[in-house]
Amino acid sequence: EDQVTQSPEALRLQEGESSSLNCSYTVSGLRGLFWYRQDPGKGPEFLFTLYSAGEEKEKERLKATLTKKESFLHITAPKPEDSATYLCAVQAADSGYALNFGKGTSLLVTP
Amino acid sequence: GAVVSQHPSWVICKSGTSVKIECRSLDFQATTMFWYRQFPKQSLMLMATSNEGSKATYEQGVEKDKFLINHASLTLSTLTVTSAHPEDSSFYICSARSPQGSNQPQHFGDGTRLSIL
Repeated sequence: EDQVTQSPEALRLQEGESSSLNCSYTVSGLRGLFWYRQDPGKGPEFLFTLYSAGEEKEKERLKATLTKKESFLHITAPKPEDSATYLCAVQAADSGYALNFGKGTSLLVTP
Repeated sequence: GAVVSQHPSWVICKSGTSVKIECRSLDFQATTMFWYRQFPKQSLMLMATSNEGSKATYEQGVEKDKFLINHASLTLSTLTVTSAHPEDSSFYICSARSPQGSNQPQHFGDGTRLSIL
């Protein structure tokens, strides 16, 4: 059975304090691993897709990396506006494009 | 701008009422849309896959007679919660995926907060 586990559940950072969020996964044939950002009361907003081990993608202060067992979302010099819940999801090759989500990491960045 | 539009954003109704939620893809024709449910502090759980022109595929444990899905056009899918009860109160979110290429991400609507009294 496919599983996605995110850690930590919650993270509090001071503005400028870099850190990483973890997403560990087991899947029978990975088609893609996705990172989304979700603000309270909103739907998830797409950030990145990673397809194979060793792949990295960057967008502003965020960088996502992928290995065969886990993905990291690195946040460099975060700002208060980066506060949100970050969701990781995997798409199995036989899933018909459905996503299996982790529970997310709730990030709070204080000034 | 929004790629997927979901309506309404908030519904409060009495137990026993049926509630319809609409999901529209604005920028592309979506042959497949997905419906998720999210309880507080929990992850998004896939309820069903909505296929244009055919029957929806429901996940294990989701009652198809309770959650009616209609995908009558390439830009619109609807979810109807029939005879809703307080335990159906949740945050319902739809997503759509562009059929162009196998590497397209799912884009999500802003969700519908359903509260059954």
